[in-house]
Amino acid sequence: KNEVEQSPQNLTAQEGEFITINCSYSVGISALHWLQQHPGGGIVSLFMLSSGKKKHGRLIATINIQEKHSSLHITASHPRDSAVYICAVGVNTDKLIFGTGTRLQVFP
Amino acid sequence: DGGITQSPKYLFRKEGQNVTLSCEQNLNHDAMYWYRQDPGQGLRLIYYSQIVNDFQKGDIAEGYSVSREKKESFPLTVTSAQKNPTAFYLCASTIWGVNGANVLTFGAGSRLTVL
Repeated sequence: KNEVEQSPQNLTAQEGEFITINCSYSVGISALHWLQQHPGGGIVSLFMLSSGKKKHGRLIATINIQEKHSSLHITASHPRDSAVYICAVGVNTDKLIFGTGTRLQVFP
Repeated sequence: DGGITQSPKYLFRKEGQNVTLSCEQNLNHDAMYWYRQDPGQGLRLIYYSQIVNDFQKGDIAEGYSVSREKKESFPLTVTSAQKNPTAFYLCASTIWGVNGANVLTFGAGSRLTVL
């Protein structure tokens, strides 16, 4: 079993829909990151969370440390949100473990 | 603008050749990382370095080598000993704080294809 599991693996949505991507982990962590990878491969950091909730524009990330679970929400989704979303957890002081990603396609 | 520059973006190699992928950052980050990404898999750590002149093996270091002679630079050499080198390679850097990695930054990646 992977230490970081994401669901769903693939997600399609119509423009305007509310999107939720989930990340569960089985190790103790110092922080959790949500990353976005566009076609072409570059990765952008969206959020770093160690507790609670963060919001940036239409993106909201939450984390429940007790349940070892995080969610990334996208409100009013748009085709430009189409990308692979990756959850990564920081363990110890120098290691990151990555999920396999959720591929999101938003259609107009 | 601060960031990470990886080069080349695309690279083709014949079997038996060593190739070196460049990674340069101007963020003044102490820690730098090399990851490999294969279809359907999460990023896997090849090597990392927390300070100049020091680096550590990651989970899949066999067939790879690195150096960290300057804070800004962390080149990765894919040697002929790497059995399956065709992949997408990502360089990253960060500052480690109380809550773990802060300001995680990635380069645009280098796609290596072995012919």
